[in-house]
Amino acid sequence: NAGVTQTPKFRVLKTGQSMTLLCAQDMNHEYMYWYRQDPGMGLRLIHYSVGEGTTAKGEVPDGYNVSRLKKQNFLLGLESAAPSQTSVYFCASSMRRGAFTDTQYFGPGTRLTVL
Amino acid sequence: GNSVTQMEGPVTLSEEAFLTINCTYTATGYPSLFWYVQYPGEGLQLLLKATKADDKGSNKGFEATYRKETTSFHLEKGSVQVSDSAVYFCASPYGGSQGNLIFGKGTKLSVKP
Repeated sequence: NAGVTQTPKFRVLKTGQSMTLLCAQDMNHEYMYWYRQDPGMGLRLIHYSVGEGTTAKGEVPDGYNVSRLKKQNFLLGLESAAPSQTSVYFCASSMRRGAFTDTQYFGPGTRLTVL
Repeated sequence: GNSVTQMEGPVTLSEEAFLTINCTYTATGYPSLFWYVQYPGEGLQLLLKATKADDKGSNKGFEATYRKETTSFHLEKGSVQVSDSAVYFCASPYGGSQGNLIFGKGTKLSVKP
């Protein structure tokens, strides 16, 4: 099993450009998450999904959109990139809610720079 | 929602030294607690977890005990190795229906030979 994979690994954008980050998991997990990691901030939740066709906002959703058309894929979109979105983005998945006992499995991350 | 606070680094130790990274939590009830580790250039991976009060999680020589009296989940290792150099995150479920984890800000550990 590949686990959680993310595409691309690195990307440089200019302000105002758009892009989509792809996350795929082959563990048949129901829950998927997008986090961003910034120095000194830990990880913060952007959006999450509790199942195919459903998405919800997390702690820092502004400037991002997501879609979960297939259970195994969770897409994160930036419609008009801004320098404040320079970050490392991690996708994660879990079998049930991440609460209580379930482990979250993380992808390797996407390093995004917005100039 | 729940929250976690962990000691900020960086922490630099010599090989075979004892390691403690402090983590405290605030929560409704007694949620599971986790330690994740991030090696350079990689994503996070679960190091250990405890699912109820007084549980001890352990893995790769690391241990952490869920102490409800002090609302703590400190990470310890008796003898660190250079290969333990990484960033360590304490985490707890946020609570409610979101299902996501709330992470501490991370503690960077560097182990010198």
